[in-house]
Amino acid sequence: AQSVTQLGSHVSVSEGALVLLRCNYSSSVPPYLFWYVQYPNQGLQLLLKYTSAATLVKGINGFEAEFKKSETSFHLTKPSAHMSDAAEYFCAVSSDSNYQLIWGAGTKLIIKP
Amino acid sequence: KAGVTQTPRYLIKTRGQQVTLSCSPISGHRSVSWYQQTPGQGLQFLFEYFSETQRNKGNFPGRFSGRQFSNSRSEMNVSTLELGDSALYLCASSLDLARLYEQYFGPGTRLTVT
Repeated sequence: AQSVTQLGSHVSVSEGALVLLRCNYSSSVPPYLFWYVQYPNQGLQLLLKYTSAATLVKGINGFEAEFKKSETSFHLTKPSAHMSDAAEYFCAVSSDSNYQLIWGAGTKLIIKP
Repeated sequence: KAGVTQTPRYLIKTRGQQVTLSCSPISGHRSVSWYQQTPGQGLQFLFEYFSETQRNKGNFPGRFSGRQFSNSRSEMNVSTLELGDSALYLCASSLDLARLYEQYFGPGTRLTVT
């Protein structure tokens, strides 16, 4: 069965510092991977998705994620954090053999001034 | 294009009552998914409807049900409400199956059960 693990329920970084949010998945077949963001009091919004076209995926708001098959990871990064990046981030995985999207528990990103 | 709309935005109900939540997807989207979000359990998948058929169901009791109409609008119903049903209920629509396509989320319905 597929699963997603997001390391760290809360991640705190200083404004201007590198953002790294970790996501590891398990899948016996090629996965589709997604990162969504949820700002306070809003629904979720797609940041980026991986569907086997390129291992480095660029998303909105300066975020990107790299698919590493050998490490079964899809970590989300941003070179320089902004206060507006404070939100909760969710990683999700699916595949052609699984009809359901599996969600991680989410990571709250806190930006320190 | 109008986004996903959910009504009502806030709801207060009493234990034992039932509730119906409504979701209008983006025009042209055929898939509608429902999620329950709570601080303790995080984001949990309830079910997905595609072209009026339930395609996937999460691990929730039968008190939770849904349906989708021919215009893709969807409703979810919770019967015999329990205190633990207090949550933010999110609806998301996508062009096709949610596991492959970007989902667009509504703002949610905040349900409080007293």
